[in-house]
Amino acid sequence: GAGVSQSPSNKVTEKGKDVELRCDPISGHTALYWYRQSLGQGLEFLIYFQGNSAPDKSGLPSDRFSAERTGGSVSTLTIQRTQQEDSAVYLCASSLDNRMSSYNEQFFGPGTRLTVL
Amino acid sequence: RKEVEQDPGPFNVPEGATVAFNCTYSNSASQSFFWYRQDCRKEPKLLMSVYSSGNEDGRFTAQLNRASQYISLLIRDSKLSDSATYLCVVKGGSYIPTFGRGTSLIVHP
Repeated sequence: GAGVSQSPSNKVTEKGKDVELRCDPISGHTALYWYRQSLGQGLEFLIYFQGNSAPDKSGLPSDRFSAERTGGSVSTLTIQRTQQEDSAVYLCASSLDNRMSSYNEQFFGPGTRLTVL
Repeated sequence: RKEVEQDPGPFNVPEGATVAFNCTYSNSASQSFFWYRQDCRKEPKLLMSVYSSGNEDGRFTAQLNRASQYISLLIRDSKLSDSATYLCVVKGGSYIPTFGRGTSLIVHP
């Protein structure tokens, strides 16, 4: 079956521009995560969606970052007024409900490599 | 202290060697533990879960030491294809798993 897909795979933008990154999770997965990974660094949690519940935005680094998840499926991460330090790989992952104490495997998309000039 | 800590490496080993990585975690209430593998410029993928009694999957053995708050991954008979970054993942009561920064493994001929 289809895995998690992300688009675009690469995005080069100029400082100050807005960008939108898209994530299509695996069908039936109610949990969706966005992470950021800078070169040689670990995964930095950004935001978490679970079904129709209010998202957990605790990882967003600034108010320039926002995300939506429409219809409990596709998600869009928006970065306004991009800065050079926003350059990173943005990874999306989906899973079954992880609110329980057990863990459901997170399936990652291939990521969007963002370069801000 | 970071929530999840790993030695970044790289661990540089010859084919056939046995290599082990540790990962320490700070939250004693952590409940679930995992190892993910990330190839260069690829997304992370689940390698194996870590069970309290320890578990094995082929050449890979994972162990949990709750008293000392660490998990380990042992790879026997290393292959060139094992070269990757190994990410430790810890989940507590929260639904947001915490990833370590990863340990880089390079297996050379």
